[in-house]
Amino acid sequence: DAGVIQSPRHEVTEMGQEVTLRCKPISGHNSLFWYRQTMMRGLELLIYFNNNVPIDDSGMPEDRFSAKMPNASFSTLKIQPSEPRDSAVYFCASSLDRGRGGYTFGSGTRLTVV
Amino acid sequence: AQRVTQPEKLLSVFKGAPVELKCNYSYSGSPELFWYVQYSRQRLQLLLRHISRESIKGFTADLNKGETSFHLKKPFAQEEDSAMYYCALTGSTLGRLYFGRGTQLTVWP
Repeated sequence: DAGVIQSPRHEVTEMGQEVTLRCKPISGHNSLFWYRQTMMRGLELLIYFNNNVPIDDSGMPEDRFSAKMPNASFSTLKIQPSEPRDSAVYFCASSLDRGRGGYTFGSGTRLTVV
Repeated sequence: AQRVTQPEKLLSVFKGAPVELKCNYSYSGSPELFWYVQYSRQRLQLLLRHISRESIKGFTADLNKGETSFHLKKPFAQEEDSAMYYCALTGSTLGRLYFGRGTQLTVWP
């Protein structure tokens, strides 16, 4: 298995633009998690899905952030409009059975908003 | 409520010295504990699971339910061990992992 695949690896965009981050979980994993990592705030859980259904989005910082999981093999995290303070590394992770056995993380998307 | 505490934000040791990264947890159910490692500008990788009782890269961790701890240990640190280490907790009632804030380990030559 290729693991959790995220795209793009790097994204530089101007303030106000829409940004879409993509994630393909490991086949057979039924839970998917989006995290944000910054030096100031560390690792933050934004939202997670179980069987394609959002379970907890309390970590989504504001309405500019939205996430979808239209099927078991694909999820997106969208920021519209983007702001410089959104600059961070965004990780996607997947797991079996809501985290039992641990997560497998993707390589992350490094987002820079200028 | 469930919580994972890593009391040391930064930890420095010299090469060849023993290292212990502390992790304490609180959870009313039966816990499942993990250690993840993140090398500079890379993804988080699973290092250890308590149920596996294995040693990876010379690291070991023992779950102590009495002290609610899952400390990570290595008898002789190497420079390549320099990384951020996260302790994480889950359980049958939790539905996800709860991470500590991480400990940045630096091993000096």
